[in-house]
Amino acid sequence: EPEVTQTPSHQVTQMGQEVILRCVPISNHLYFYWYRQILGQKVEFLVSFYNNEISEKSEIFDDQFSVERPDGSNFTLKIRSTKLEDSAMYFCASRRGTGISYEQYFGPGTRLTVT
Amino acid sequence: AQSVTQLDSHVSVSEGTPVLLRCNYSSSYSPSLFWYVQHPNKGLQLLLKYTSAATLVKGINGFEAEFKKSETSFHLTKPSAHMSDAAEYFCVVSGNTNAGKSTFGDGTTLTVKP
Repeated sequence: EPEVTQTPSHQVTQMGQEVILRCVPISNHLYFYWYRQILGQKVEFLVSFYNNEISEKSEIFDDQFSVERPDGSNFTLKIRSTKLEDSAMYFCASRRGTGISYEQYFGPGTRLTVT
Repeated sequence: AQSVTQLDSHVSVSEGTPVLLRCNYSSSYSPSLFWYVQHPNKGLQLLLKYTSAATLVKGINGFEAEFKKSETSFHLTKPSAHMSDAAEYFCVVSGNTNAGKSTFGDGTTLTVKP
C-alpha cells in the first residue's frame, strides 16, 4: 500500500539555523499538509498546499516558515531561523482530493530538536 | 469552522474490561471523522474512519466507533482492553474547509491496568 514518507526521522539543529524537512506524498494525491506536535500536546495544523500554492495556513505558520514542491514528488517545509520553541514532531500528510472522503494519509513524522 | 472535543483527558481501565473514549465534534457540513492512536514516541496510526457510509464503523484491533449526528458524537469503544492498547488517542474531524485540513482533539491518554 502506498505510504507517505518523511526524511530525516530525527533532526537536531542549533537555534538560528535553517532546516528543511522533506516529505514524499502518495503519488496521485493532490493536497499536501504539514502539522506539528509539540511534546505532550495535540497535533496542530500548519499549512495546506494545492496546485502549487498555499491554500490555507494557521497563525503558527509565520514568515519563518515556507513550503515548496520543488519537483513532482517532494514536498518540503523550511524553517528559516529555528527557535527553541520549534522543537516538535512534524507530520506531513497528503490527500487524494477527489470523492467524499477527506482522509489524509500521515507520514511517520520528523522529530526536530532545536538546541 | 470545525472543532473536536475529547471529553476525557485520561481514561484508566483494567485489562479485559470495556473501553469508552468520548468525542464530540462541530462541523458546518457533513464531516469525515477519524480516530488515531499514537504510542509513545511514535507516529499516528489510523484506527478507523467515518466518511458518510455506515454509522457504525469497525476499525483495527477490535475498536469500533458510532457516528451519531443528533448528538454530534463519535465515541470510540472496545469490548475488552488489552495492555497493548495503552496509548494516546486522537479524535479528528476533516473536510470543513476548502483545503480539507484536519482538526485534532486534545487527545485522551488510555491507561490499562493489569
